[in-house]
Amino acid sequence: DARVTQTPRHKVTEMGQEVTMRCQPILGHNTVFWYRQTMMQGLELLAYFRNRAPLDDSGMPKDRFSAEMPDATLATLKIQPSEPRDSAVYFCASGPFGTGLYEQYFGPGTRLTVT
Amino acid sequence: AQSVTQLDSHVSVSEGTPVLLRCNYSSSYSPSLFWYVQHPNKGLQLLLKYTSAATLVKGINGFEAEFKKSETSFHLTKPSAHMSDAAEYFCVVILTGGFKTIFGAGTRLFVKA
Repeated sequence: DARVTQTPRHKVTEMGQEVTMRCQPILGHNTVFWYRQTMMQGLELLAYFRNRAPLDDSGMPKDRFSAEMPDATLATLKIQPSEPRDSAVYFCASGPFGTGLYEQYFGPGTRLTVT
Repeated sequence: AQSVTQLDSHVSVSEGTPVLLRCNYSSSYSPSLFWYVQHPNKGLQLLLKYTSAATLVKGINGFEAEFKKSETSFHLTKPSAHMSDAAEYFCVVILTGGFKTIFGAGTRLFVKA
């Protein structure tokens, strides 16, 4: 049963520290998404990649967030420096996007707390 | 502009009674529409999808949804609620070819014994 995996599952850090979240998409999926979920804002799309190339990162605060796909099996989301307002659950999703195929499969999320 | 509106933030039903979660969308193009479910402290799971084939779509766990273009709606239904259905449900629009994903605000379903 193929799944999206995310590490770490939980992260507590102090303001100003760098945070790196990792995602392993489902093998063969060509599109990867990063989302942030908070009580106040709900689910927000931060960035997405197709075939490892960034397509849209307009949802991301550019000054402190960065997203990359070093290879087809790894996507990373970095926050530097982190701030308390970044506290949220960050989800990665992958999909086999092609003609008529637009579903996304979500990982379990990384719960980030910045103190 | 494209948007998704979930008409109820909370829905409460008794176990064994029907479930109706309402979703309206606005899109200039033919959208792909989805329903996802999120149980507490879990990730999102795909319930069902509409991608311009049959307008009545069947999903997992007895859920189904009907695409009505004239009403721009994609309501989620289930004939008989189960306690395990208590969760948050998201209606999602993905703009065809663009990958831009728009989530509704979510509807929290409560199921009473």
